[in-house]
Amino acid sequence: DAGVTQSPTHLIKTRGQQVTLRCSPKSGHDTVSWYQQALGQGPQFIFQYYEEEERQRGNFPDRFSGHQFPNYSSELNVNALLLGDSALYLCASSFRQYEQYFGPGTRLTVT
Amino acid sequence: AQSVTQLDSHVSVSEGTPVLLRCNYSSSYSPSLFWYVQHPNKGLQLLLKYTSAATLVKGINGFEAEFKKSETSFHLTKPSAHMSDAAEYFCVVSDLTATDKLIFGTGTRLQVFP
Repeated sequence: DAGVTQSPTHLIKTRGQQVTLRCSPKSGHDTVSWYQQALGQGPQFIFQYYEEEERQRGNFPDRFSGHQFPNYSSELNVNALLLGDSALYLCASSFRQYEQYFGPGTRLTVT
Repeated sequence: AQSVTQLDSHVSVSEGTPVLLRCNYSSSYSPSLFWYVQHPNKGLQLLLKYTSAATLVKGINGFEAEFKKSETSFHLTKPSAHMSDAAEYFCVVSDLTATDKLIFGTGTRLQVFP
């Protein structure tokens, strides 16, 4: 059974560009949460998707948006990239609100 | 609002000696608490979780943590460190909203010397 998978592994973008990160949840999971982990910090909650809708959002600007597909996979989109958006982006999946399993993350570098 | 404070940013131990990583929590209600480990260039792995059952929680790889309500603490311990324990450790509390989002501490980097 594959765990949570994320793509791409690494990404380099320029300020002002847009980026899309992808996440496939663990088999049997229906909920996807996204976290941002800046260097030397703990992960911070961005938002959570359940039944293809954003259920809760953390303290992130509208430049951060997401989507969940009928197969429960999810995308995180970031528009108008800033240098401060450079971070490891982690996806976590769960069945409803139960234990969250994390993927390996996508390392985004904004230059 | 729920929060956690990890009292040490770095902890260094010798292989074979005990490990203690300290965490205090703040919560209006009985919290759900977790310890996660993150090895370099790897995702987060759940070590153990407390959800108001036994106050002494046993996790994977010989780690355990004790929930102490009177001290609002949830310290992580291991009797004997192994080189492979070197990693970043996060104390985490679950938000008590419908999403149960996770609120992470700032992390403790554990170094293990031979």
